[in-house]
Amino acid sequence: GAVVSQHPSRVICKSGTSVKIECRSLDFQATTMFWYRQFPKQSLMLMATSNEGSKATYEQGVEKDKFLINHASLTLSTLTVTSAHPEDSSFYICSARRNGYTFGSGTRLTVV
Amino acid sequence: AQSVTQLGSHVSVSEGALVLLRCNYSSSVPPYLFWYVQYPNQGLQLLLKYTSAATLVKGINGFEAEFKKSETSFHLTKPSAHMSDAAEYFCAVSPMNRDDKIIFGKGTRLHILP
Repeated sequence: GAVVSQHPSRVICKSGTSVKIECRSLDFQATTMFWYRQFPKQSLMLMATSNEGSKATYEQGVEKDKFLINHASLTLSTLTVTSAHPEDSSFYICSARRNGYTFGSGTRLTVV
Repeated sequence: AQSVTQLGSHVSVSEGALVLLRCNYSSSVPPYLFWYVQYPNQGLQLLLKYTSAATLVKGINGFEAEFKKSETSFHLTKPSAHMSDAAEYFCAVSPMNRDDKIIFGKGTRLHILP
C-alpha cells in the first residue's frame, strides 16, 4: 500500500531559528503533496499544495515566505518554518494523493 | 465549494454499545467522502472512503458508513464499541474526478466508557 514517511516526528527549536520537515512517498510517486497544520483539539487546516517542479499553492492567510515549501522530486516535499516563533508551535502533517489521501505520521513542532 | 459538518465535538458510548458519528457534507460536484481516525500525536489513518461504487461502505476495524445523497450525509457506525476505538475521528470531502485538496470536518472525539 501507499506509505508516506514524515520526519522528524518531534522537534524543539529556539525562537528565531528555522526548522525543516520532510515528507516522503516511499513506494509511489507523488506529483502533488499537501501540508496541513493542526492546533490542539482542532481539525486539520490546509496550508499549501506542493507541486513537483513548480511553486506551491498557498491557502489564504498562510505566509509563503514563512512556510517555505520545496517539492524537488516526485517522492520528496519539504516544509521549512523560517524564523520560528512560539505561535508556530503546532502539529504539521503532510499528505500525498494515491488511491485516496495517505498521510504522514505528523511532526510536533515546539518553539521555545 | 465544499464543506463538511460533524455534529458533536465529543461523543461518549459504553463499551459494547453502538457507535454513531455524524457527518453532513456540502458539495457543488459529486464528492468523494472519507472517514479518518487519529490517535494522539499521530497522523491520520483512513477508515473508509466513498467513491460512488456503493452507498454502504465497509472499512477497517468494523466501521462502516452509508452515503445518503438525499440527506447529504455520510455517518460512521460500528455495532459494538471497543476501548481501542477511543480517538479523534474526521470526516472529509474532496471533489470526484479532480486532483484537488481534501477538506476536513472539525473532528469528533470518541470516548469509550467501561
